[in-house]
Amino acid sequence: DAGVTQSPTHLIKTRGQQVTLRCSPKSGHDTVSWYQQALGQGPQFIFQYYEEEERQRGNFPDRFSGHQFPNYSSELNVNALLLGDSALYLCASSFGRGGPPGNEQFFGPGTRLTVL
Amino acid sequence: AQSVTQPDIHITVSEGASLELRCNYSYGATPYLFWYVQSPGQGLQLLLKYFSGDTLVQGIKGFEAEFKRSQSSFNLRKPSVHWSDAAEYFCAVGPFSGGYNKLIFGAGTRLAVHP
Repeated sequence: DAGVTQSPTHLIKTRGQQVTLRCSPKSGHDTVSWYQQALGQGPQFIFQYYEEEERQRGNFPDRFSGHQFPNYSSELNVNALLLGDSALYLCASSFGRGGPPGNEQFFGPGTRLTVL
Repeated sequence: AQSVTQPDIHITVSEGASLELRCNYSYGATPYLFWYVQSPGQGLQLLLKYFSGDTLVQGIKGFEAEFKRSQSSFNLRKPSVHWSDAAEYFCAVGPFSGGYNKLIFGAGTRLAVHP
């Protein structure tokens, strides 16, 4: 049973460019959350997708957008990249729209984005 | 606002020694609390979680944590550390807001283990 997978593993972009990161949830999961982890910090919640809609959003600008496909996989798009967007982007999947107890989030290995 | 504080940025212990990592949270209701571990180049792995009931919870890899409501703390402990425990540890609180879960993480504690 494959866990949460993310692609690519690493990515280098320049300021002003756009980037798309991809996530496939754990088998049986239908909810995907995205987190940004800057160097030396804990992960920060970006947004969550359920039933192909953005359901909850953290304190991130509109340059960050996403999409969820019918097979529950998800993309994170970041436009007009800034140096400060350099971070590890983590995807987490879970089942259903509810929270704890029982709705554990499983994390992928992340995509390391470097903006030059 | 919900928040998590991990007061120790970096901790070094000797192999075989006991370990306690501190976590304090700020949350208006009964919290759902988690400890995750992150090894270099890896994602986050759940060590243990507290939802309700017994305030001492057991997790994987020999870790345990104790929820103390009066102190707003959820400290992680291990009686004897192994070299393979060297990693970064994150405490998180999971608000149940509007029916959708998200996690709020602390800044993490990096654990180094001396042989």
